[in-house]
Amino acid sequence: VQLLESGGGLVQPGGSLRISCGGSGFNFKTNAMSWVRQAPGKGLEWVSFISGSGGSRYYADSVRGRFTISRDNSMNRIYLQMDSLRVDDTGIYYCAKDGSGYDLDSWGQGTLVTVSS
Amino acid sequence: SYDLTQPPSLSVSPGQTASIACSGNKLGDKFVSWYQQKPGQSPVLIIYQDHNRPSGIPERFSGSNSGNTATLTIGGAQAVDEADYYCQAWDGRPVFGGGTKVTVL
Repeated sequence: VQLLESGGGLVQPGGSLRISCGGSGFNFKTNAMSWVRQAPGKGLEWVSFISGSGGSRYYADSVRGRFTISRDNSMNRIYLQMDSLRVDDTGIYYCAKDGSGYDLDSWGQGTLVTVSS
Repeated sequence: SYDLTQPPSLSVSPGQTASIACSGNKLGDKFVSWYQQKPGQSPVLIIYQDHNRPSGIPERFSGSNSGNTATLTIGGAQAVDEADYYCQAWDGRPVFGGGTKVTVL
């Protein structure tokens, strides 16, 4: 299993950014995926979930209405569109693969998102 | 919202046993996972569904869950086990504990 995130960078408060994650080594379209972030020096925070088909999507209260998760199973990729970004959205964003239905059994290396003026 | 509480830090001598507690309301009714994260690295799943180890995870890592507390035990801690450890439960979505920094010295 390999997960590889991309698209991170520096963006001003109020701006937008789209990050993505490519998966390989497993049956991508049958696996739910999540985005989890980690602010500098802080713990893990779940951000968003998408089912294998893309029909179910969930968001943390802190990002609901600002972030949108999506996936393209033909490309083996998931995306996180982040709008109205705030300084406290800064951190490393990891994509993670659903394991047994209650855990995340594989993680990417992360992509750094910095929101700053 | 559902909260999980972990001690911020824990020290253990090499070869001794370290136990990390994770507490939450009726946590024993949920499946708990544990992740290890070393500095500059991504988290790694080390325990799932309370007590199961993924392939490649050493036997010195074990887990239990009952009542309001789940516990990760490192039996015979080694220097390589120095890391942050996070518990996680599923409450309609993944919920993480705040993490415990384990120092082996």
